[in-house]
Amino acid sequence: GENVEQHPSTLSVQEGDSAVIKCTYSDSASNYFPWYKQELGKRPQLIIDIRSNVGEKKDQRIAVTLNKTAKHFSLHITETQPEDSAVYFCAATLGNEKLTFGTGTRLTIIP
Amino acid sequence: EAQVTQNPRYLITVTGKKLTVTCSQNMNHEYMSWYRQDPGLGLRQIYYSMNVEVTDKGDVPEGYKVSRKEKRNFPLILESPSPNQTSLYFCASSLASSTDTQYFGPGTRLTVL
Repeated sequence: GENVEQHPSTLSVQEGDSAVIKCTYSDSASNYFPWYKQELGKRPQLIIDIRSNVGEKKDQRIAVTLNKTAKHFSLHITETQPEDSAVYFCAATLGNEKLTFGTGTRLTIIP
Repeated sequence: EAQVTQNPRYLITVTGKKLTVTCSQNMNHEYMSWYRQDPGLGLRQIYYSMNVEVTDKGDVPEGYKVSRKEKRNFPLILESPSPNQTSLYFCASSLASSTDTQYFGPGTRLTVL
């Protein structure tokens, strides 16, 4: 099955700086890579996703890059704000059935 | 309002006492799944269902059962709960598969004594 590793487990950045979270996956046939944000005490919510036929996708301050050769993908948040503080999960799916999540990154934005 | 609901939200029980956590969605979604969330382990998929009467194991199915008799409901059953099943459980649904946006329920915090 698929295995997803996520780093770092915790990340603190100054407000206004950029944050980068990296994930690696094991199965080269994986084809869909979403990122979910979970605020404290809340449910996870999708913030951005990328499919295997695309190398990069941006949505305002958030971007995701995919390197299929190296089997890794990254979340980039620019101009960080206090409301970006949350736990972020990457995930990968092989085919269209199972969804495997990483272990999460707790991001803290320091005012 | 489009939503995924779970009940109960909190449950404290004892080892061996059968319990069911309900999950319901009103978005006519085909795909539903259950996850458990534990510190340091992230979200792990327990079971998923591609459609009515179609269910399959996720990564951590041991000790759990599910059923999908109706499209909108996907209950999680613990026939003989044990303390290692103490966790935060999330139900999720999506339009058709794991490659669509997953809409999560509010979560159920389960403690097994």
